[in-house]
Amino acid sequence: NAGVTQTPKFRVLKTGQSMTLLCAQDMNHEYMYWYRQDPGMGLRLIHYSVGEGTTAKGEVPDGYNVSRLKKQNFLLGLESAAPSQTSVYFCASRALAGGHEQFFGPGTRLTVL
Amino acid sequence: EDKVVQSPLSLVVHEGDTVTLNCSYEVTNFRSLLWYKQEKKAPTFLFMLTSSGIEKKSGRLSSILDKKELFSILNITATQTGDSAIYLCAVERTSGTYKYIFGTGTRLKVLA
Repeated sequence: NAGVTQTPKFRVLKTGQSMTLLCAQDMNHEYMYWYRQDPGMGLRLIHYSVGEGTTAKGEVPDGYNVSRLKKQNFLLGLESAAPSQTSVYFCASRALAGGHEQFFGPGTRLTVL
Repeated sequence: EDKVVQSPLSLVVHEGDTVTLNCSYEVTNFRSLLWYKQEKKAPTFLFMLTSSGIEKKSGRLSSILDKKELFSILNITATQTGDSAIYLCAVERTSGTYKYIFGTGTRLKVLA
């Protein structure tokens, strides 16, 4: 049981490049989330999904897109990276029923030059 | 606008000290308040609080919620160097989308 995994762990992009971050969970959780964490800003929600095939915007969605084609995977895309998107990205998941806690992946550190 | 505010922003103590971390919130449709510990990587769950006045306890850590005054505290007694971390507070809303609002965190450093 790997929990929540994220790939890649690190990435450096040039301004204007695109990339996709992959989040996978093996806990059969319905809900999945993408956050970014910046110094002094805490965790801010980018997009989230309440089930396969559904996505919704969070607090800071601009410049990002997401897809949830399979229940276990949640992809975060940057179409044209900007230096302001330099951050640590965390994926999280939680079950529909039971505890309210989220389970977090190890994070992806992204630098945009 | 919904917000979660943690204080202090950072704290340095010596092993054996007791610390109290604060989390206040102004959030519509409150459902629960959660505490997480973040060391080097992913935040890990500590407590979930939904009712006022009921203390949750795990070893040297304890937490309580006051829904009238809209705050929670996290206490750590007899601190150890392994307690050094960022402690995050999050509020979950009942909006049906289960969105969470996080505070900026309190960075705790425990010196040997």
